[in-house]
Amino acid sequence: EVQLVESGGGLVKPGGSLRLSCAASGFTFSSYSMNWVRQAPGKGLEWVSSISSSSSYIYYADSVKGRFTISRDNAKNSLYLQMNSLRAEDTAVYYCARDRAIATVFDYWGQGTLVTVSS
Amino acid sequence: DIQMTQSPSSLSASVGDRVTITCRASQSISSYLNWYQQKPGKAPKLLIYAASSLQSGVPSRFSGSGSGTDFTLTISSLQPEDFATYYCQQSYSTPPVTFGQGTRLEIK
Repeated sequence: EVQLVESGGGLVKPGGSLRLSCAASGFTFSSYSMNWVRQAPGKGLEWVSSISSSSSYIYYADSVKGRFTISRDNAKNSLYLQMNSLRAEDTAVYYCARDRAIATVFDYWGQGTLVTVSS
Repeated sequence: DIQMTQSPSSLSASVGDRVTITCRASQSISSYLNWYQQKPGKAPKLLIYAASSLQSGVPSRFSGSGSGTDFTLTISSLQPEDFATYYCQQSYSTPPVTFGQGTRLEIK
């Protein structure tokens, strides 16, 4: 069974940093591109970042470019999101999502981890 | 960036109703359109990919159609568990991945 479990969320002050993790199991992690998608309270879904299976290709939404860094450790079956210079508008539930391997389709999602940026 | 617009933003319907949700892309995206269902407090769930392909395990009352710029998600006979928010997402031109704003399906 495919499982994605996020961790690392919490309350952080504006300008602070946080590192999210996503532990994957039940599939060959190293064969799939992975993504972070967020959802602000009461709002819709916003794609944040993606990383290819071997980390060769990395992309970011304009809203986080230069502040967030996606990475992965295929030996540990883990995906990460380093978030720096956090702003109030980064407050959201952050989901990791597996790419179905054809054309950016998110076929499995974690349960999400809440990041709150507030003083 | 490709903009995705869903209509309506919210919809009230009854169990057993046939419901259609529309998604329009700002430019042609061929059939690179996916649909997700999200229930309160839960992660989104993939329902339909490539405009009309049903994800494994999804009930057959869900169907998708369309190509180019106009797409629809149809639920043939609403069940109580179908009341949720639905999102479309284009995968034609990425990055960035873009989602519609969502359609909230409520019980009448």
